[in-house]
Amino acid sequence: DQQVKQNSPSLSVQEGRISILNCDYTNSMFDYFLWYKKYPAEGPTFLISISSIKDKNEDGRFTVFLNKSAKHLSLHIVPSQPGDSAVYFCAASGEKAGNMLTFGGGTRLMVKP
Amino acid sequence: DAGVIQSPRHEVTEMGQEVTLRCKPISGHNSLFWYRQTMMRGLELLIYFNNNVPIDDSGMPEDRFSAKMPNASFSTLKIQPSEPRDSAVYFCASRQTAGDTQYFGPGTRLTVL
Repeated sequence: DQQVKQNSPSLSVQEGRISILNCDYTNSMFDYFLWYKKYPAEGPTFLISISSIKDKNEDGRFTVFLNKSAKHLSLHIVPSQPGDSAVYFCAASGEKAGNMLTFGGGTRLMVKP
Repeated sequence: DAGVIQSPRHEVTEMGQEVTLRCKPISGHNSLFWYRQTMMRGLELLIYFNNNVPIDDSGMPEDRFSAKMPNASFSTLKIQPSEPRDSAVYFCASRQTAGDTQYFGPGTRLTVL
């Protein structure tokens, strides 16, 4: 049973527009959420995170929103750039969940020039 | 800082052969993780070590898989005998302390013919 789900395997967006990547989780013990970005032939790299005590965290063009009641988080990238084209993984963690990361299946984002 | 180092980057082997994947974590990091990425299952945690001690190996698929961490700067993941369904990208990651970000290596792409 997948505890972290990314229901959209791919997303295509025009350069300059907003990209919205979604993630749902089922385990209520998760209290820390992360987004990783992965380019081909490279390992995932940390992008942005959010604690469950917040509902929004912003870092430049990247904003993560958390809706605890819906067990849903999203990553907004605005404006999107061609260099943002990559696979984005949502991950969840928590002290009560052993502080280990549980990953979603990933969403491939393609930003068209 | 060299980051997490994995070798080899690519491995092609025949069914039944032994495969050994290697990882050098970031110096000073106390935890090491082995993940497997496949199209079907995304990023799965196989095993993780804390201070060189295996903590959770519940993700190791079968007895054919084994992992060791003889010291703080080296870990191996061994598959014996290998099977075609083991074909995947295997990532190693490390982190300094619980709750910190995990840093991933570039991965080893394993193909078992």
